[in-house]
Amino acid sequence: KAGVTQTPRYLIKTRGQQVTLSCSPISGHRSVSWYQQTPGQGLQFLFEYFSETQRNKGNFPGRFSGRQFSNSRSEMNVSTLELGDSALYLCASRGGRGDDGELFFGEGSRLTVL
Amino acid sequence: GQSLEQPSEVTAVEGAIVQINCTYQTSGFYGLSWYQQHDGGAPTFLSYNALDGLEETGRFSSFLSRSDSYGYLLLQELQMKDSASYFCAVRGGYQKVTFGTGTKLQVIP
Repeated sequence: KAGVTQTPRYLIKTRGQQVTLSCSPISGHRSVSWYQQTPGQGLQFLFEYFSETQRNKGNFPGRFSGRQFSNSRSEMNVSTLELGDSALYLCASRGGRGDDGELFFGEGSRLTVL
Repeated sequence: GQSLEQPSEVTAVEGAIVQINCTYQTSGFYGLSWYQQHDGGAPTFLSYNALDGLEETGRFSSFLSRSDSYGYLLLQELQMKDSASYFCAVRGGYQKVTFGTGTKLQVIP
């Protein structure tokens, strides 16, 4: 079955602009989570959605937001971009009972803010 | 809050064994996972420990001690392709998964 798909893969924006990233989870997966990855910082948790409801939120400013649609696809939005927002944004889905703890990651969207 | 500590870099020789440690402090604990990420690639799941003890999957093993808030990933018969970053991750309350900052493993001939 198809894996987690993220679009776009690469994008360049300038400070002050906004960006929307998309994530299509594995078919049947209802949980989608987002992470920001920067060198030396590991994966920083942004938020998680389950059945269109935000279940968890990380310690990011309100400029970072997201949503999930009825087909489990998810989007995240970053407004008023700052240079420090340059990062790889990873989406992960989880399905089944979730008891095995496995997250399935997409290839990520690499955002560069100039 | 939640925090995880793991070494930033490890170097090991091809064919050898290497252990990557992870200590954690969490509010709520359901399990410890390990992920591998090659440069430019997506993290991929390696193992998950919900209970104390050792889990073995081929050349990789993972250990958990909940009383010590400690776990490790053991890689045996190292191969050059094992050069990658390895992340431990804790599943805590409300299904939230928190990752460590990663250990960059370099396998040398």
